[in-house]
Amino acid sequence: EIVMTQSPATLSVSPGERATLSCRASQSVSSNLAWYQQKLGQAPRLLIYAASTRATGIPARFSGSGSGTEFTLTISSLQSEDLAVYYCQQYSNWPPFTFGQGTKVEIK
Amino acid sequence: QVQLVQSGSELKKPGASVKVSCKASGYTFTTYAMMWLRQAPGQGLEWMGWISTNTGNPTYAQGFTGRFVFSLDTSVSTAYLQITSLKAEDTAFYYCARFLPADGTFDPWGQGTLVTVSS
Repeated sequence: EIVMTQSPATLSVSPGERATLSCRASQSVSSNLAWYQQKLGQAPRLLIYAASTRATGIPARFSGSGSGTEFTLTISSLQSEDLAVYYCQQYSNWPPFTFGQGTKVEIK
Repeated sequence: QVQLVQSGSELKKPGASVKVSCKASGYTFTTYAMMWLRQAPGQGLEWMGWISTNTGNPTYAQGFTGRFVFSLDTSVSTAYLQITSLKAEDTAFYYCARFLPADGTFDPWGQGTLVTVSS
């Protein structure tokens, strides 16, 4: 089973500033990585797939990068509505599909 | 639009059973597999398994065999999750999500169903 590790656990960022979230895989997943956003009280929503492709309707301030074992989700200019927990998920070697433990983005 | 709508919250006693429904709309139900995921209160996401909406064949992740059953009613575009012999540790949000095999991703997700197990 591929283990996904996210850092930091919590990230405090001022509005308009850049937020950088990290995700590491225990073995290479190539570019088979997705990011999801979960706002409080809501279901997760797909943000990014194939490590760097934005899903339909996702604002351009969200971008993904990386391949192999190291991945990054960047929010270029944090908005108040971006307050959420962000999860990475690998789909390179399944079953099982595995998720990171999440990074909570707080507004400073 | 593509949408998954789940049944409402449930409060059950230990040892009881629960059946959660997930009704799909906006696409051909049998084209995409359905995934089930669990999220304990304040915790992360855990993949429970999936069911082929074409064949009805379920696949369960480790830790979700025996008491967990995935099923379908394709006539009403609905997937079901049944949990038997409920335990307190089954208290969680349960989500269905459509599987997109080209991307390996889950999109969209149902709104989630909270199952609370308490005496």
